[in-house]
Amino acid sequence: EAEVAQSPRYKITEKSQAVAFWCDPISGHATLYWYRQILGQGPELLVQFQDESVVDDSQLPKDRFSAERLKGVDSTLKIQPAELGDSAMYLCASSLATGANYGYTFGSGTRLTVV
Amino acid sequence: KNEVEQSPQNLTAQEGEFITINCSYSVGISALHWLQQHPGGGIVSLFMLSSGKKKHGRLIATINIQEKHSSLHITASHPRDSAVYICAVPLYGGATNKLIFGTGTLLAVQP
Repeated sequence: EAEVAQSPRYKITEKSQAVAFWCDPISGHATLYWYRQILGQGPELLVQFQDESVVDDSQLPKDRFSAERLKGVDSTLKIQPAELGDSAMYLCASSLATGANYGYTFGSGTRLTVV
Repeated sequence: KNEVEQSPQNLTAQEGEFITINCSYSVGISALHWLQQHPGGGIVSLFMLSSGKKKHGRLIATINIQEKHSSLHITASHPRDSAVYICAVPLYGGATNKLIFGTGTLLAVQP
């Protein structure tokens, strides 16, 4: 069964350092999402891509977060500099297209701990 | 008031019991997702449904679009079913399509 691949699974970084996460969606999935889930809370959308274009990054803290999907396939989410409050699970998901009737497939997530 | 509400928030059951988790939503949708998340783990999509009922193994999901209500049932529950179950509805606006997540139901099935 096709999967959304994410790496690394776990990351510990010091405050003020840079950190990057990678996501490879299911082949052919045009829509890619990055969600952040703080412990005990539901996920919140950080950024949505349609192919290589950002269609929603309204909740992305742009002073320190950046996301790209240069060739419309895999994607990288970067944080620089990391802050203690960035400790969370970062989830990537993909869907065939944008629309309420398209299913999501989630990756296993990257658990970030900032110390 | 949350746009997507689940009940109960916490549920403890004995192995073998029939379990029901409920989800009510106020945003207009055409589909709803049921998701499973084990502690510290990623999210697994269980169902996406827009009408009626779907079944997969011991899991059954139903939805009533008119009443804006969905239920997830687990038959013959097992300790490995212990996880957080989340319902989520897509909020679709033009090119954007983000999920609005419920508060989650923490299920513990005891042997």
